[in-house]
Amino acid sequence: GESVGLHLPTLSVQEGDNSIINCAYSNSASDYFIWYKQESGKGPQFIIDIRSNMDKRQGQRVTVLLNKTVKHLSLQIAATQPGDSAVYFCAENKGGGADGLTFGKGTHLIIQP
Amino acid sequence: DTEVTQTPKHLVMGMTNKKSLKCEQHMGHRAMYWYKQKAKKPPELMFVYSYEKLSINESVPSRFSPECPNSSLLNLHLHALQPEDSALYLCASSTSGARTGELFFGEGSRLTVL
Repeated sequence: GESVGLHLPTLSVQEGDNSIINCAYSNSASDYFIWYKQESGKGPQFIIDIRSNMDKRQGQRVTVLLNKTVKHLSLQIAATQPGDSAVYFCAENKGGGADGLTFGKGTHLIIQP
Repeated sequence: DTEVTQTPKHLVMGMTNKKSLKCEQHMGHRAMYWYKQKAKKPPELMFVYSYEKLSINESVPSRFSPECPNSSLLNLHLHALQPEDSALYLCASSTSGARTGELFFGEGSRLTVL
């Protein structure tokens, strides 16, 4: 089965609020995680990544948190905008010499006006 | 140029047809990928090419045949497909050498098998 997965299939937030999308993984040896955004009719787009030697990483309006103790990571989007409406996937790079990613189930983020 | 271009965008084929999906990138990436995505599901890895050599085949049926003619092009040849093969086929590329999670995806080719 999948080694990464999302907690909720749909998340609805008010425009301007912060969004938090969660993801759990099962393998304690997993060490490299990536978040992707997929808008309707488009391919996935890289957002941010984090390796297991870090607990937190920030980008532009996004923050990824990694809790290795409970095997959980989250994507926080600050001041959610209509353009943030998409399906968000967490993914894992399992290494092994090629960078084929394993994607978890997605969370559909819906922005309420 | 940071695009991965896939053609055709839409393809309808019968189960006895032979068709091909094409992917092109000019970012100098030496790793290229095929993913399959069913509706409301995550992308599933099919094939990985590294320096024009097939490095990963995720137990994909032989009716799907990948080809990497050069470092910029990736093809997926389709033959004797089944209706359940209908899906969005995504091509991606990435740099090689250092482990990366940043893949650049095309917009996909939506395949319908009748």
